[in-house]
Amino acid sequence: KAGVTQTPRYLIKTRGQQVTLSCSPISGHRSVSWYQQTPGQGLQFLFEYFSETQRNKGNFPGRFSGRQFSNSRSEMNVSTLELGDSALYLCASSLRDTQETQYFGPGTRLLVL
Amino acid sequence: AQSVTQLGSHVSVSEGALVLLRCNYSSSVPPYLFWYVQYPNQGLQLLLKYTSAATLVKGINGFEAEFKKSETSFHLTKPSAHMSDAAEYFCAVSGGTSYDKVIFGPGTSLSVIP
Repeated sequence: KAGVTQTPRYLIKTRGQQVTLSCSPISGHRSVSWYQQTPGQGLQFLFEYFSETQRNKGNFPGRFSGRQFSNSRSEMNVSTLELGDSALYLCASSLRDTQETQYFGPGTRLLVL
Repeated sequence: AQSVTQLGSHVSVSEGALVLLRCNYSSSVPPYLFWYVQYPNQGLQLLLKYTSAATLVKGINGFEAEFKKSETSFHLTKPSAHMSDAAEYFCAVSGGTSYDKVIFGPGTSLSVIP
């Protein structure tokens, strides 16, 4: 069974631009979560989607948004990028919810210049 | 609200020595507790999970953790360190329902000295 895939793996953007990251969960998994990982803040929860609905949300500004499609694939969007948005963005999928084993993708490393 | 602390941002052990990574949690409800490992340039992988079935939880790669409610701890151990254990380890806590976030600790970087 294929693992969680994230595209692109690396991305360089400039301040003020917007970016869209994609995540394809493991086949059959309906819960997809997004995390931001930085050296200073560690792993922080962004949001979780289940059956195309956002079920939970972390403490991030509205510039961070996401969505989930009917095939469970998910995208996250960051608008008006700031230097502090430079991070590794991790996607994780599980069968039904985050209490089960979450399977993480390799992440998308975003650098904002 | 749940929170996690991990004592020691960096731990070094000799190959073959005991590995002990500390995790303390705060939770207002019976928690779910997790240990994840992250190798360089990779995502996280679940090592083990506590869901109230048994206080001593065995995971992959020879790791285990013991849930101690009185100490609000969930320390990770491995009897004998291997070079391949060098990685970042994260303890995480959740309230146990679909609507609870998983909160990760700051992580502990484990180095194994040959």
